[in-house]
Amino acid sequence: KQEVTQIPAALSVPEGENLVLNCSFTDSAIYNLQWFRQDPGKGLTSLLLIQSSQREQTSGRLNASLDKSSGRSTLYIAASQPGDSATYLCAVSGFAGNNRKLIWGLGTSLAVNP
Amino acid sequence: DAGVIQSPRHEVTEMGQEVTLRCKPISGHDYLFWYRQTMMRGLELLIYFNNNVPIDDSGMPEDRFSAKMPNASFSTLKIQPSEPRDSAVYFCASTPGAANGELFFGEGSRLTVL
Repeated sequence: KQEVTQIPAALSVPEGENLVLNCSFTDSAIYNLQWFRQDPGKGLTSLLLIQSSQREQTSGRLNASLDKSSGRSTLYIAASQPGDSATYLCAVSGFAGNNRKLIWGLGTSLAVNP
Repeated sequence: DAGVIQSPRHEVTEMGQEVTLRCKPISGHDYLFWYRQTMMRGLELLIYFNNNVPIDDSGMPEDRFSAKMPNASFSTLKIQPSEPRDSAVYFCASTPGAANGELFFGEGSRLTVL
């Protein structure tokens, strides 16, 4: 049974720091991995999606890496800003076909202090 | 497109009452998902549809929960009778049929059962 863990559960950093959020999963047979952002009282916004054949994806100051063999993904945020404060969740999906079920971590709550 | 639209945004009801949550997916998306989010359990998949057909309802907690998708642009999640432990934020999400699998969420419906 696939399980997804995110460490740390909460993180507080000063503005400008580079930081890394971690996501680990127990079953390496994944189809893709997604990172999401959730602001308080809002829905989730997809940040980056990494297919199982890929090693990383980049969008602006965000870079997500995937190491299937070790069951790990990291989300790197460069030069953090107060606007980055949110909860970040990762989710993995099984094989393609009709399977669209995602398994979710509980998220890392990030606070970037001015 | 306006994105995934959910209503109501907030619902407060008394135990035993029927609750109906509504969702309009993004036009052209073949998959629709209902999730529940609580602090203790995080995001839980309740049910998902492909082309209006329920594919996996194994996450529906019990018979009090039911979901329908009468057409490609509308879905409902019904709880009857509601109980205090159903209090949560319920999210609807949709994704295109292509294998990319990026998920788009609505803003959620916050349900409080007294």
